[in-house]
Amino acid sequence: SQTIHQWPATLVQPVGSPLSLECTVEGTSNPNLYWYRQAAGRGLQLLFYSVGIGQISSEVPQNLSASRPQDRQFILSSKKLLLSDSGFYLCAWSVPGFVNTEAFFGQGTRLTVV
Amino acid sequence: AQSVTQLGSHVSVSEGALVLLRCNYSSSVPPYLFWYVQYPNQGLQLLLKYTSAATLVKGINGFEAEFKKSETSFHLTKPSAHMSDAAEYFCAVSGMNSGYSTLTFGKGTMLLVSP
Repeated sequence: SQTIHQWPATLVQPVGSPLSLECTVEGTSNPNLYWYRQAAGRGLQLLFYSVGIGQISSEVPQNLSASRPQDRQFILSSKKLLLSDSGFYLCAWSVPGFVNTEAFFGQGTRLTVV
Repeated sequence: AQSVTQLGSHVSVSEGALVLLRCNYSSSVPPYLFWYVQYPNQGLQLLLKYTSAATLVKGINGFEAEFKKSETSFHLTKPSAHMSDAAEYFCAVSGMNSGYSTLTFGKGTMLLVSP
């Protein structure tokens, strides 16, 4: 069966520090991968999605970037965090080659920028 | 572009009462619709999905949703609420973005269950 791992679970970082959140998927090949951010009362905002190694699409221009160095690894990064980067970050995957398919989510990372 | 609107950021029910969480969608093509549940500080778990096979969709934990094209709605219901149902619920619609399938979520509805 497929599983998705996301870490760390919680993170407190000072303003201006770098960020690296990692997500890996097991049990499937070439998954579609997603990074979402969740802010209170605002639902989930799609940040990045990827359909293959090195293929990243950004939904919202901001202080974050994403990379996919391996087939089942997705990394969210920032060179200098802002207070507004605080939130709950969720990684997700979906089956490739299918449209209108559901996404499967990791447990999330609670990021607090202080 | 597809979108969903969830009516009511908070819904309160008593244990044993009917749960009704509302979702309306906007889509230029036949939509694929989803309901997810999120417990505090956890990821999202799929409750059920509509993929045009049947208008009444049954999901996990006793939840079901009915697709009504005439009303552009996909409301989530459960006959009898349990304390364990207290969580945040998200409605989502699938759409194509630059040739790839992505989900667009509503803002969520927090379900509060009182004894």
